[in-house]
Amino acid sequence: NAGVTQTPKFQVLKTGQSMTLQCAQDMNHNSMYWYRQDPGMGLRLIYYSASEGTTDKGEVPNGYNVSRLNKREFSLRLESAAPSQTSVYFCASSEVRGTSGEQYFGPGTRLTVT
Amino acid sequence: AQSVTQLGSHVSVSEGALVLLRCNYSSSVPPYLFWYVQYPNQGLQLLLKYTTGATLVKGINGFEAEFKKSETSFHLTKPSAHMSDAAEYFCAVSVGPGGGADGLTFGKGTHLIIQP
Repeated sequence: NAGVTQTPKFQVLKTGQSMTLQCAQDMNHNSMYWYRQDPGMGLRLIYYSASEGTTDKGEVPNGYNVSRLNKREFSLRLESAAPSQTSVYFCASSEVRGTSGEQYFGPGTRLTVT
Repeated sequence: AQSVTQLGSHVSVSEGALVLLRCNYSSSVPPYLFWYVQYPNQGLQLLLKYTTGATLVKGINGFEAEFKKSETSFHLTKPSAHMSDAAEYFCAVSVGPGGGADGLTFGKGTHLIIQP
């Protein structure tokens, strides 16, 4: 049981480049999330997916797109990276029905945009 | 909308001393409350959670927290600090299981430093 996995672990981009962050979970959870973590800011929700085929904006969605490819996978895309998107990105998953629904986090992707 | 305030961005305690990390929340509905720990260069790991029922909850590594509705608090404690407890701690709140469309709302974190 790998839990939540993320690739890549590290990435350096130049301003204007694009990339996709990958996330997969093997816990059969319905809900998946993308957060960004910045120093002194805690974690902030970028996008959320309640189930396959559905996505919703979170607190800080500008500059990002997401795809819920299937129940296991939820990707985050930066179409034109900006220095303000330098951050650590975490994917999480949870089961919202019948449980307390704590979220399980991946190890993170450390992104630097120069 | 809910919010979380963690008092003290850095807390320093001596090894063997009491650890107290403070968390206050605001929520318009009964909250689900969580404490997560983050070790350097790692993801977040759940320490403990409160959903309903007993207000004193015990978690991993000897940590516990008490939900006090009248004070809107969910402070984290550990009787005796260990060097391995040095990490970043996050308090989080959600208004339903899993967080729903709002996800979890996190505090800004408290960096716990353990002095030898």
